[in-house]
Amino acid sequence: DQQVKQNSPSLSVQEGRISILNCDYTNSMFDYFLWYKKYPAEGPTFLISISSIKDKNEDGRFTVFLNKSAKHLSLHIVPSQPGDSAVYFCAARNDFGNEKLTFGTGTRLTIIP
Amino acid sequence: DTGVSQNPRHKITKRGQNVTFRCDPISEHNRLYWYRQTLGQGPEFLTYFQNEAQLEKSRLLSDRFSAERPKGSFSTLEIQRTEQGDSAMYLCASSLHLRDTEAFFGQGTRLTVV
Repeated sequence: DQQVKQNSPSLSVQEGRISILNCDYTNSMFDYFLWYKKYPAEGPTFLISISSIKDKNEDGRFTVFLNKSAKHLSLHIVPSQPGDSAVYFCAARNDFGNEKLTFGTGTRLTIIP
Repeated sequence: DTGVSQNPRHKITKRGQNVTFRCDPISEHNRLYWYRQTLGQGPEFLTYFQNEAQLEKSRLLSDRFSAERPKGSFSTLEIQRTEQGDSAMYLCASSLHLRDTEAFFGQGTRLTVV
C-alpha cells in the first residue's frame, strides 16, 4: 500500500525554467509534509516542509503547495539550476508523537543547461 | 557538529554472515531513526529511538535485525544471518522531538550480500 505516491519517475527541465514536482497521498492522517533531495551515494537532504494547517510555504527558490482536499502537494523550483539535478523525495508524517516518515518513490529531476 | 555520521559507508558480506552498522546522530538530537532504501524505492522506516528507548519497530524488521542505542547516543543496527534480500542502503536520521522539525539523514551504509 503506497501511501505517498510520486507518479513521475523522471522530469527534465531547461535551466532557468520552473520545475514542478508532484506528490499525492492517501492517508488523511498525515499532518506534516517534507521534501528531500538526494544526490547519488549520499543520504537525503532536507529541502522544505509544510504543515497541514498551511497551503503554501516558500524558501528562496523553493515553494511547496499543499491541497488537502485533493491530498496533493507540489514542489516548485524557480529558476531551475544545474545543481538542482537530483532525486527528489516527498515524505509525510502522520502525527507529532509518531515521527516516522513515509516516503514516495522519488522523481529524478534533470536540469538541462 | 558535522551532522549524522554512518559507518561503514560500504559493506560487502557473504550470505549467512552477521553485520553491524553504526550511526552517530547530531549531538543534541534525542530521536534517531533507521530506514532502508532499495533501488527505485524511497526510504522505508525500520525503527526509531527516543533517547535510549526503542519506541517503534516496523514489520520490515525481522527477528534477524536488532537495533540498540545505549545511553541515548550512537546507535547500532545488526543483521544476523544475512540474506541477499538484505542488500540495500541503510540510512540513519536524527531529529529533535519538537513540532514541525525535520530529520537529518546520514550518508548511509550500502550493504551488498553476495
